[in-house]
Amino acid sequence: QSVLTQPPSASGTPGQGITISCSGSTSNIGSNYVYWYYQVPGTAPKLLMYRNNQRPSGVPDRFSGSKSGTSASLAISGLRSEDEADYYCAAWDDSLSGVLFGGGTKLTVL
Amino acid sequence: QVQLQESGPGLVKPSETLSLTCTVSGGSISSYYWSWIRQPPGKGLEWIGDIYYTGRITYNPSLESRITISLDTSKNQFSLRLTSVTAADTAMYSCARGDSRRSGLFDPWGQGTLVTVSS
Repeated sequence: QSVLTQPPSASGTPGQGITISCSGSTSNIGSNYVYWYYQVPGTAPKLLMYRNNQRPSGVPDRFSGSKSGTSASLAISGLRSEDEADYYCAAWDDSLSGVLFGGGTKLTVL
Repeated sequence: QVQLQESGPGLVKPSETLSLTCTVSGGSISSYYWSWIRQPPGKGLEWIGDIYYTGRITYNPSLESRITISLDTSKNQFSLRLTSVTAADTAMYSCARGDSRRSGLFDPWGQGTLVTVSS
């Protein structure tokens, strides 16, 4: 059902920076806030970014979010091994009248 | 610190009804939105629906004909019923707290409970 499109995978080496994209449409990202979640397999997702670019307390400033038009991005600088996880974007969709999640991006830290 | 815990059967037969309960501790259910989200094995997240403490409910249109979400403020719990289940409903089901309507903010989440649909 995902109409928020994410790359299925991304990778980087420790210390590098990477960006994960999330592409949507005018009915979701284009007119509503974007949220990002971080999930280590076997555990519950955790909120990583809210309202496009706001970090919950406890999230390092190595993580940053942005939105432009109908796309959003999550940037991670100074990659660490513990960043290896699945990352999901989410947004309310006005046409669906519900929340959409992206398909998820598996980040590997080489 | 608010915590959520899902409970319910881990195995449901095809065509039967899946029933789960989420117990909220460390805070009152009489505020915020309360959501159900599922994740099939090896796949992504799917929002099922939510309920506001006033009883206002929003369902995922793709599941609306089969789901019921309800609230029991006296027990600080909310529940999910999904009827006529098939193997495609096999998933980790999680409850979570939402902050407002038309929002994709869910925090915190319960640990999730795996429900398998099989005879």
